[in-house]
Amino acid sequence: KQEVTQIPAALSVPEGENLVLNCSFTDSAIYNLQWFRQDPGKGLTSLLLIQSSQREQTSGRLNASLDKSSGRSTLYIAASQPGDSATYLCAVNRPGTYKYIFGTGTRLKVLA
Amino acid sequence: DAGVIQSPRHEVTEMGQEVTLRCKPISGHNSLFWYRQTMMRGLELLIYFNNNVPIDDSGMPEDRFSAKMPNASFSTLKIQPSEPRDSAVYFCASSLTIRGHYGYTFGSGTRLTVV
Repeated sequence: KQEVTQIPAALSVPEGENLVLNCSFTDSAIYNLQWFRQDPGKGLTSLLLIQSSQREQTSGRLNASLDKSSGRSTLYIAASQPGDSATYLCAVNRPGTYKYIFGTGTRLKVLA
Repeated sequence: DAGVIQSPRHEVTEMGQEVTLRCKPISGHNSLFWYRQTMMRGLELLIYFNNNVPIDDSGMPEDRFSAKMPNASFSTLKIQPSEPRDSAVYFCASSLTIRGHYGYTFGSGTRLTVV
């Protein structure tokens, strides 16, 4: 059974810092890995999707890497801003399935 | 595109009442998903539809929950009778699945409180 873990559960950093969020999964037979952002009281916004054949994806100040063999992904946020404050979730699915398994998220607070 | 639209945004109901949550997916998307989010259990997939057909409903908690997708632009999730433990945020998501690229777009959710 696939389990997705995100560490740390919460993180507080000063503005401008570069930071790394971690995601680990127990079954390396994944098809896609997605990183989402969730603002309080809102839905989830997809940030980056990494297919199993890819090693990383970049969007603006965000960079996500995937190491299937070790069951890990990292989300790197450069030059963090207070607007980056949110909960970040990662999710994986198996080949041939639509079902994503979500981690419990990392709650990020960037202090001005 | 207005994105995935869910209604109502908030619902407060008494135990035993019927609750219906609604979702309009993004036009052209062929897959639709209902998720439930709670503090204790995080995000759980309840059911997903592909081309309006239910494919996997193994996450539906019990017979009190039912979901329908009568056409490509509308889906409902019904709870009858509702119980306090059903209180959660219910999300609908849709995606266009082409050669297995299952990226999601989520709606803003319905916050359900059963008292």
